[in-house]
Amino acid sequence: EVQLVQSGAEVKKPGESLKISCKGSGYSFASFWIAWVRQMPGKGLEWMGIIHPGDSETRYSPSFQGQVTISADKSIRTAYLQWTSLKASDTAMYYCARRIVEASTNNYYYYMDVWGKGTTVTVSS
Amino acid sequence: SYVLTQPPSVSVAPGQTARITCGGNNTGIESVHWYQQKPGQAPVLVVYDDNDRPSGIPDRVSGSNSGNTATLTISRVEAGDEADYYCQVWNGGSDHPVFGGGTKLAVL
Repeated sequence: EVQLVQSGAEVKKPGESLKISCKGSGYSFASFWIAWVRQMPGKGLEWMGIIHPGDSETRYSPSFQGQVTISADKSIRTAYLQWTSLKASDTAMYYCARRIVEASTNNYYYYMDVWGKGTTVTVSS
Repeated sequence: SYVLTQPPSVSVAPGQTARITCGGNNTGIESVHWYQQKPGQAPVLVVYDDNDRPSGIPDRVSGSNSGNTATLTISRVEAGDEADYYCQVWNGGSDHPVFGGGTKLAVL
């Protein structure tokens, strides 16, 4: 069974650093891109960025570029999302998800077929 | 940038058919995917590439896509279908996906 297991809930103070994790199992972890998605309380899904664990190639949404760092360690089948200085506005649920690529008639398309259960991050003084 | 527009809410009685729309410029030429998110849970893929279902998703759930609108259809709606539903597009010409704002399906 393909699974993504995320680390547990975190409560932090503004200015603190944080690294949350997403461990894959049941498939070739290095072969599939992992996406990170933010969901603020009561709001919709926001794509943050994506990493290819095989070579650590990373792409960021312009909204999150410079605000977070996405990394991966394929030897332990784990992707990470980290902050160096948290803000109250980082309070949200964070999901990792496996990206699938398929070919259509004249292009490729991508979707997320398996999601982790999410990591709640609360930043409060 | 590409925008997908969903109605904030849709209400339907049990046993009836729910239709959730996702509007965007020429969505008919894109591959549209749908996710279901029940309260307190992670999103789950329910339709990909307009009208394909992952294993385990009942055939009461279907999708269509034409012109400027993609539609998720849930037939014989049950209380357990109550959730937020998000459409999404991500094609090879873009660095990132676009999500619709989400639609809350209420089962009356």
